[in-house]
Amino acid sequence: KAGVTQTPRYLIKTRGQQVTLSCSPISGHRSVSWYQQTPGQGLQFLFEYFSETQRNKGNFPGRFSGRQFSNSRSEMNVSTLELGDSALYLCASSGNYGYTFGSGTRLTVV
Amino acid sequence: DQQVKQNSPSLSVQEGRISILNCDYTNSMFDYFLWYKKYPAEGPTFLISISSIKDKNEDGRFTVFLNKSAKHLSLHIVPSQPGDSAVYFCAALAYSGAGSYQLTFGKGTKLSVIP
Repeated sequence: KAGVTQTPRYLIKTRGQQVTLSCSPISGHRSVSWYQQTPGQGLQFLFEYFSETQRNKGNFPGRFSGRQFSNSRSEMNVSTLELGDSALYLCASSGNYGYTFGSGTRLTVV
Repeated sequence: DQQVKQNSPSLSVQEGRISILNCDYTNSMFDYFLWYKKYPAEGPTFLISISSIKDKNEDGRFTVFLNKSAKHLSLHIVPSQPGDSAVYFCAALAYSGAGSYQLTFGKGTKLSVIP
């Protein structure tokens, strides 16, 4: 069974730009969650999608948004990038037996 | 307010000895706890979990202990091996409504096992 695939692996953007990250969950998993990892802050929950609907949302500004498609693939978008958005963005897909994480997208904002 | 706390950012242990990683939580609604291991530039990988109705779960060299009254859990690794060197995250699961569960993570403890 293929794992969780996140693309791209690395990304460099300029302040003020926007970015879209992609996550393909494990086949058959309908839930996708997104997390932001920054040094010293651990993993912070962004949002969760299930069957194309946002089911839960963390405490992030409205610049962070996401969506899920009918094939369960999910995208997250960050608009008007700030230097503080530099982080590893992880997605996790969940089925009956817990959460499986992708390798993440390392976003650097310069 | 941080609901899951790992108060030790780092831990160094000699190979062959026991590693004990600690985690405290504040939310009584957490009913399932997990430990993840993470290498740089990779996503976290699931290690071991424990339900709130148990006080111990064991899987090979890894044992997790839960003390509900103290809202404390710990991960024991015996014997520690150099390949165990990684960042370990404690995570707690709670139902957040509308069929959704939310996983809340601590900030992690970096374990270094010295050969």
